[in-house]
Amino acid sequence: GQSLEQPSEVTAVEGAIVQINCTYQTSGFYGLSWYQQHDGGAPTFLSYNGLDGLEETGRFSSFLSRSDSYGYLLLQELQMKDSASYFCAVDSSYKLIFGSGTRLLVRP
Amino acid sequence: EAQVTQNPRYLITVTGKKLTVTCSQNMNHEYMSWYRQDPGLGLRQIYYSMNVEVTDKGDVPEGYKVSRKEKRNFPLILESPSPNQTSLYFCASRYPGQGSSPLHFGNGTRLTVT
Repeated sequence: GQSLEQPSEVTAVEGAIVQINCTYQTSGFYGLSWYQQHDGGAPTFLSYNGLDGLEETGRFSSFLSRSDSYGYLLLQELQMKDSASYFCAVDSSYKLIFGSGTRLLVRP
Repeated sequence: EAQVTQNPRYLITVTGKKLTVTCSQNMNHEYMSWYRQDPGLGLRQIYYSMNVEVTDKGDVPEGYKVSRKEKRNFPLILESPSPNQTSLYFCASRYPGQGSSPLHFGNGTRLTVT
């Protein structure tokens, strides 16, 4: 079967760094994406890793290890507005398969 | 403004009454897809379309139909809705069907079937 595993909930303090992990098992793999969704809103694209290594976009970075079927999203200098759900998603044979999401709560 | 537009935003209906949720994008994207989102289950793909007249099943297609007669439109049809189809639905689109092209989502349709 196809599955993506990520923690259901993470709590962190404003200004801190948090890492959200994602492990996957899929038939076919072209890349790993991350999406952010605020309560009541639509998911929005954050980052994509097609190759192993680290991709950096401002305060957010994403990492992929294809040999370990593992990736993570790193959020630095956390702000209150980062409180949201974060989804990893695998590109697999023209399907984009999403994990069940990690709810991040940022506390003052 | 580049966007994916879904209608309606909220819909309450009764079991068995056919309904259509519309989706339109103005970005000339070839790829379009429908997802449903349920608590604890993330986003599950219902159907996707690689281009006009090309559609394929996602992971949870039972009870749904789609059509892609024009590039910009990708309606989701529930011929005989049932309570287990109560969910939050998202339409999305992007350029080629895979790779680094981000998926653009509509604002969602919250469907309740009683």
